[in-house]
Amino acid sequence: AAGVIQSPRHLIKEKRETATLKCYPIPRHDTVYWYQQGPGQDPQFLISFYEKMQSDKGSIPDRFSAQQFSDYHSELNMSSLELGDSALYFCASSVRGLAGLQYFGPGTRLTVT
Amino acid sequence: KQEVTQIPAALSVPEGENLVLNCSFTDSAIYNLQWFRQDPGKGLTSLLLIQSSQREQTSGRLNASLDKSSGRSTLYIAASQPGDSATYLCAGDGGAGNMLTFGGGTRLMVKP
Repeated sequence: AAGVIQSPRHLIKEKRETATLKCYPIPRHDTVYWYQQGPGQDPQFLISFYEKMQSDKGSIPDRFSAQQFSDYHSELNMSSLELGDSALYFCASSVRGLAGLQYFGPGTRLTVT
Repeated sequence: KQEVTQIPAALSVPEGENLVLNCSFTDSAIYNLQWFRQDPGKGLTSLLLIQSSQREQTSGRLNASLDKSSGRSTLYIAASQPGDSATYLCAGDGGAGNMLTFGGGTRLMVKP
């Protein structure tokens, strides 16, 4: 069965650089979520999209932005990177009308040096 | 604001033991409750989902229950194996399409 795809899987950037993370949800899933998991921490919700519109917003820094495109893939853009942005970034997708079970991608490990 | 707590933070048991992981949440308006497994540096594997109208779910050696009135969920692992060693996270949402709020996880070590 198709799963959530994230790319790249690993990314190394320097401080003040920009990074773009991509997420391809499971086909026919209409909702995409982004989570950030810092070292030794539990995942924290950043932002979600339903049918290409921003649905909910969590603790996402102003330096970050995200969008969902017409093909339902989503991108998380991170600018002016800081050392504290080093984390695992997970994307999840779900079908809003069906229980809400969220399926998680393998994550993108971002390291800021 | 929903807060989710997991006890214990870490647990070490000998192989073959039955064990219980606890998850508590502050807002009884929780809708779905998911249990995940995470291996070090890896992604989240969904183990069980308990929907709002349900009280428990079972998958193999795993059984999860949900008691909204007391704000608790438990994950029961029967006959633990070394391969069960991982961090177990519970997470709840306020409805389909809502964000998940995670607990801090329980780091489980099953010794051969």
